[in-house]
Amino acid sequence: GAVVSQHPSRVICKSGTSVKIECRSLDFQATTMFWYRQFPKKSLMLMATSNEGSKATYEQGVEKDKFLINHASLTLSTLTVTSAHPEDSSFYICSAPQGLGHQETQYFGPGTRLLVL
Amino acid sequence: AQTVTQSQPEMSVQEAETVTLSCTYDTSENNYYLFWYKQPPSRQMILVIRQEAYKQQNATENRFSVNFQKAAKSFSLKISDSQLGDTAMYFCAFMKQNTGNQFYFGTGTSLTVIP
Repeated sequence: GAVVSQHPSRVICKSGTSVKIECRSLDFQATTMFWYRQFPKKSLMLMATSNEGSKATYEQGVEKDKFLINHASLTLSTLTVTSAHPEDSSFYICSAPQGLGHQETQYFGPGTRLLVL
Repeated sequence: AQTVTQSQPEMSVQEAETVTLSCTYDTSENNYYLFWYKQPPSRQMILVIRQEAYKQQNATENRFSVNFQKAAKSFSLKISDSQLGDTAMYFCAFMKQNTGNQFYFGTGTSLTVIP
């Protein structure tokens, strides 16, 4: 299947700093990517849809100025957590759809664990 | 809006036995896709099996098979000959047919395979 990578896999930062997480589709192009947040033993919560060449679409309750998304190319989307605070500590996962029509499937990155001290 | 319900937060099964995880969903769409994803302790989401709603035949992938009941909006996953490596969180997911659509996830079922 298709491969999606994320970098970094884990990051520890001080409160007030910004953290950038990269999501790459390695062997396919993705005009759309999705960013999720997952708390321990919980389901994935969709944060936003990243669109190549246009603004991201944020889910209700997600602060767009807090979680900046840039879809710079057909293989790269970045999520920047600005002025991070301890409550932003979480596991962040991206995904990208691959395939056409009945072959379409979402492929997920390995996730990024963020700890804000 | 689409909703996906997994009513079993935790399940366990003896190694080599069979277990069924349940999933129901609610949608007004006629054409869509259903998925089961596995998330082991590494937390990497791994596709287990997918089903196109227009297909009546239940999907199978080796030890994994589904029971898709479109009228009942039910999509259960059967794991046969359970192995220790099957221990993981299992998420049922729904996606509308159009390309690039988002997933709607269930709350997950934590499966433990007991040696």
